[in-house]
Parts: sequence; C-alpha cells; structure tokens
Amino acid sequence: KNEVEQSPQNLTAQEGEFITINCSYSVGISALHWLQQHPGGGIVSLFMLSSGKKKHGRLIATINIQEKHSSLHITASHPRDSAVYICAVKGPQGAQKLVFGQGTRLTINP
Amino acid sequence: NAGVTQTPKFQVLKTGQSMTLQCAQDMNHNSMYWYRQDPGMGLRLIYYSASEGTTDKGEVPNGYNVSRLNKREFSLRLESAAPSQTSVYFCASSEAGGAGGDYGYTFGSGTRLTVV
Repeated sequence: KNEVEQSPQNLTAQEGEFITINCSYSVGISALHWLQQHPGGGIVSLFMLSSGKKKHGRLIATINIQEKHSSLHITASHPRDSAVYICAVKGPQGAQKLVFGQGTRLTINP
Repeated sequence: NAGVTQTPKFQVLKTGQSMTLQCAQDMNHNSMYWYRQDPGMGLRLIYYSASEGTTDKGEVPNGYNVSRLNKREFSLRLESAAPSQTSVYFCASSEAGGAGGDYGYTFGSGTRLTVV
C-alpha cells in the first residue's frame, strides 16, 4: 500500500462543476502539499498545509490530521483547471523527503 | 523572474554517455532537490541538499551524483547513462526549516532526458 493515496485517479467534469480530489496518507506528517502539473509538464506548488484550511481564489484545501486526510476543492471549474493534481506529504520535523501520491488527472470540458 | 532554472530542457544521450543537469535558484532557499518522474509513478527523490555544503541520497540515487556548488546551484550528473534513466527530471528548492517548518516548494520546468 502506498504511503500516499489519491482518489480518483482520473476525473472528467463539465465546466462550472465543483471538484473534489482526495488524499489519504498513512504516516505522521509535518506538512502536506498540493501541487499542480499542467500538460506542458511544469509543476506549481498550490498549497502547503499543516492544519485547517487554506483558500486561494477558486481553490480550497483542507486537512484533517486525526483522519490523515486532505481534500482539494475547485469551485466553478474551468477548462484551464485541467491538469494533474499531486498530493505530497513531508514527514515529521527534520524530515527532508516528500512522499508523493500518483496524481489525479483532471479534465474539465467546456 | 524569480524561481528555479533548469537546463537543458531536452536531451538525448547514447548509452554510456555522461551529462550534467544544471539547476539554479535565486530565492535564497537553503534546500534543493532532484526528482525524477516516470509514467505511472509519482515523483521520486534522487538526491537532496539540505543546505550549502551537504548532500544526501534520496530514494533512487544509483547511477547519479550531485554537487551543491554554492547556495544557488545544485547539479545532477549521470556518469554513464542507461536507458533506465530515461525520465523527466525536476529540480526544486524550498526554505525548509527545522522547528519552523517549511514554506512550500518551487520547481524547475523539467528536463526531458532520453537515453537510447
């Protein structure tokens, strides 16, 4: 079993829909990251969370430390949101290594 | 623009050839990383440098060497390329703290390497 599991692996939706991508992890962490990788390949860091909730524009990320679970939500989805979304966790303080999920491929159709 | 600059963007090597991937960041980050990304697999850490003057192995270090030349630059060398090293390579940096936690990662645009 992978240390970081994302679901779904693939998601296709219509423009305007509310999107939720889930990430579950099995290890103790000091931080969780959500990353976005566009078809061109570049990777952008969206959020870094250690508790609670963060919002940036139409993107919302939440984390429940007790349940070892995080969600990434996209409101009013748009075709330009089509990308691979990657969850990554960092171990306890002092740990250097990020452990990555395999990503969720999101396609938003107009 | 501030960020992480990787070169080259594309490279084709013959088996046994050597090359160095260059990475530089201008954000004054302490920590730098090299990852590889293969189809169907998540990003995997090759080597990292927690601070200038230090380097450590990640998950998949075999066949690679690194140099943290200064705070800005972290290079990855393939001494004798093999087809199994065909991958997309990403350099990243972060202001990884100790008790202070870390503040996110900045990734380079990637190097697509093919070894034939």
